[in-house]
Amino acid sequence: DAKTTQPPSMDCAEGRAANLPCNHSTISGNEYVYWYRQIHSQGPQYIIHGLKNNETNEMASLIITEDRKSSTLILPHATLRDTAVYYCIVRVAFGNTGNQFYFGTGTSLTVIP
Amino acid sequence: NAGVTQTPKFRILKIGQSMTLQCTQDMNHNYMYWYRQDPGMGLKLIYYSVGAGITDKGEVPNGYNVSRSTTEDFPLRLELAAPSQTSVYFCASSYVQGYTFGSGTRLTVV
Repeated sequence: DAKTTQPPSMDCAEGRAANLPCNHSTISGNEYVYWYRQIHSQGPQYIIHGLKNNETNEMASLIITEDRKSSTLILPHATLRDTAVYYCIVRVAFGNTGNQFYFGTGTSLTVIP
Repeated sequence: NAGVTQTPKFRILKIGQSMTLQCTQDMNHNYMYWYRQDPGMGLKLIYYSVGAGITDKGEVPNGYNVSRSTTEDFPLRLELAAPSQTSVYFCASSYVQGYTFGSGTRLTVV
């Protein structure tokens, strides 16, 4: 699986958009970009995933560059409850070889009142 | 719908003791996983299973064993506890979009 690079930490003002970058320059054509977050020692929580096109759900938006070498997770209106560690993971589609995810150290996002 | 249930939530073990961390899911997921997370670090995959009777090693399997006799249960066994196994252990099962994690077991080996 392709390796990802994320900044170790970021701050965001409450109510503003939080933009979390992720580099995955060695991504393959059949690999998806997944985002999870972990709030204070709880189990990680799925946020969103995508292959090529931008994706949006009730939690966030995922913007993937045209060359697919980087992506950005956008939390449109960050709240204090969004303070967490955010993991960007690149993985082949579900159903292949057990679909195990390998988590790095992620980005620690702090939302400031 | 309980999701993924882990027991116990907390445990203190002495060096050399053994224990089993329990994990049960009620979503009929074929795939299940065990991760450990050391303080300030990301999650490391210990073992995973793609279905009943099938298990395989992850990144850090040494010192652990697993079994998968049913779809629902995926216990993790520590045979000879060592201080290096002090960690938070997460069990997960997976579906189309990704993982559902349990709430974790905080293990301290002294």
